[in-house]
Amino acid sequence: DIQMTQSPSTLSASVGDRVTITCRASQNINNWLAWYQLKPGTAPRLLIYRASSLESGVPSRFSGSGSGTEFTLTISSLQPDDSATYHCQQYHSYPWTFGQGTKVEVK
Amino acid sequence: EVHLVESGGGLVKPGGSLRLSCAASGFTFSIYTMNWVRQAPGKGLEWVSSISGSGSYIFYADSVKGRFTISRDNAKNSVYLQMNSLRAEDTAVYYCVKDEADWGQGTLVTVSS
Repeated sequence: DIQMTQSPSTLSASVGDRVTITCRASQNINNWLAWYQLKPGTAPRLLIYRASSLESGVPSRFSGSGSGTEFTLTISSLQPDDSATYHCQQYHSYPWTFGQGTKVEVK
Repeated sequence: EVHLVESGGGLVKPGGSLRLSCAASGFTFSIYTMNWVRQAPGKGLEWVSSISGSGSYIFYADSVKGRFTISRDNAKNSVYLQMNSLRAEDTAVYYCVKDEADWGQGTLVTVSS
């Protein structure tokens, strides 16, 4: 199985800060990587697919980059509504695997 | 527009069974692999099972292999998850997923005595 290692596990930043979350795959997944935002009581919200494509309706302050085994999710200017947990997911092959999650707190 | 609506969740005792259903619409159901993903309380996301469009290829997470059975009925645009020998650690919201972009709202399964 492909292991997804995400870091950091938590982060706290202020409104307007630039925030970066990293996800590392245990083997080459090309660009078959998605980023999700999770909030309690709601279904996961897709932010980024194919490593760097912004899902329709997602604010442009979210961006993704990387390929192969190293990926990043960047929030260019953190907003209060961004307080959530973020997960990466590889869908290069089954079983799909997810990162452990990054809890983002907005000060 | 893709719609995925899960049903069948609820409270069940350890060792019990439940059958989850997912009704799909808005796409050509029979050509898509369908998936179940779960999220336990306070935990991350865990892929559970997948079934190919024809039903010929089926995959399970090790944590549910031998206890859960995925199936589909392409005539009814539905996918199912039969869950037997349920354990407390199976407590989670179960999501029906078409692909990375299309998730249902989830159905809660609680395994408790």
